[in-house]
Amino acid sequence: ETGVTQTPRHLVMGMTNKKSLKCEQHLGHNAMYWYKQSAKKPLELMFVYNFKEQTENNSVPSRFSPECPNSSHLFLHLHTLQPEDSALYLCASSQERGGADTQYFGPGTRLTVL
Amino acid sequence: GQNIDQPTEMTATEGAIVQINCTYQTSGFNGLFWYQQHAGEAPTFLSYNVLDGLEEKGRFSSFLSRSKGYSYLLLKELQMKDSASYLCAVRDSNYQLIWGAGTKLIIKP
Repeated sequence: ETGVTQTPRHLVMGMTNKKSLKCEQHLGHNAMYWYKQSAKKPLELMFVYNFKEQTENNSVPSRFSPECPNSSHLFLHLHTLQPEDSALYLCASSQERGGADTQYFGPGTRLTVL
Repeated sequence: GQNIDQPTEMTATEGAIVQINCTYQTSGFNGLFWYQQHAGEAPTFLSYNVLDGLEEKGRFSSFLSRSKGYSYLLLKELQMKDSASYLCAVRDSNYQLIWGAGTKLIIKP
């Protein structure tokens, strides 16, 4: 148990669907992250929130829309995805962005886009 | 560009020792992390090196040479449960983590 939970764990959706991924951290951290993990590729940082403010958007397509209502919750809203978006989506948190803090990960959502 | 290199896959025998190497070229350096990730699970933090030398933590040790842009993770007395992917990540001058693709370690009886 790492203190970071994600739901759902598995998601299958069509290209016209709209769905949301949820992440919650119970560690009292102030920074939260969304990563995409594809097979045999490095983790790709998508979005970073620090104290509820988005600080980074690494050229992510607009079909991915993040939301951070408070420091404990992070959402990733998905719409009109493409098959190449199929991957494991990982959420992480750390004390705050920057500094020597360690990131703690959730178990991920395995997304399949048909 | 920034790059982290680590072997794609390694095989070792239960009870033996294995060394997983990681080389990096990054814009600045503010620490190197090793994470373990079992299939279908979250990456979990193993070690952090920011100064040269060896950090030992039970059966696992991590070494760093900043001048060579090189690190390794040493796993001793291998157990079947050590079968996992091991991820190397470097924090650059902007405090952004640059990730390697991971090394899949297979332990055989």
